[in-house]
Amino acid sequence: NAGVTQTPKFRILKIGQSMTLQCTQDMNHNYMYWYRQDPGMGLKLIYYSVGAGITDKGEVPNGYNVSRSTTEDFPLRLELAAPSQTSVYFCASSAGVNYGYTFGSGTRLTVV
Amino acid sequence: RKEVEQDPGPFNVPEGATVAFNCTYSNSASQSFFWYRQDCRKEPKLLMSVYSSGNEDGRFTAQLNRASQYISLLIRDSKLSDSATYLCVASGGGADGLTFGKGTHLIIQP
Repeated sequence: NAGVTQTPKFRILKIGQSMTLQCTQDMNHNYMYWYRQDPGMGLKLIYYSVGAGITDKGEVPNGYNVSRSTTEDFPLRLELAAPSQTSVYFCASSAGVNYGYTFGSGTRLTVV
Repeated sequence: RKEVEQDPGPFNVPEGATVAFNCTYSNSASQSFFWYRQDCRKEPKLLMSVYSSGNEDGRFTAQLNRASQYISLLIRDSKLSDSATYLCVASGGGADGLTFGKGTHLIIQP
């Protein structure tokens, strides 16, 4: 019953550093999503994928990149981290566009 | 633009009371609707789906009004553990998936 697994849970980055947030799901879902949530705010879609090899930009893609080489994995790459990227990042997956999402437990990122 | 609007609250409600939230959605093509619950510093979790005929799950009742494009959630006999942020969600009809409201913050007071 793993569902959606995100690593790491916490990370502190220095300005200009890079890192990859990992997301994997074991439900064989084609659809996967990355969101960020700033304190007291709603979810903002960064990138999404409708299947292996297919990705597309969401509402706030600048400063991020993704890849989807397998159905299970959907890593999010931060290049040249900036303080504005301090946030909680959630990965989610679903069986289709009209289905509910299963979320991972999140990665809490601080850029200093 | 696809939007889901909610009253952010907070709603301060005494334990045992009944509380209701509404939200409105802008995309008339939305097919599926949900309520999610998000606890502080945690991920959103599916509370219940919302069906056209309305549905009930224990103390929780969800209603959908397609003509007016609003969704409601009723919580009866509220518990301290119901304190959370409740997210109203509508499908967008596109590959970018669901549209989330910003949430309604509920505080149940002893």
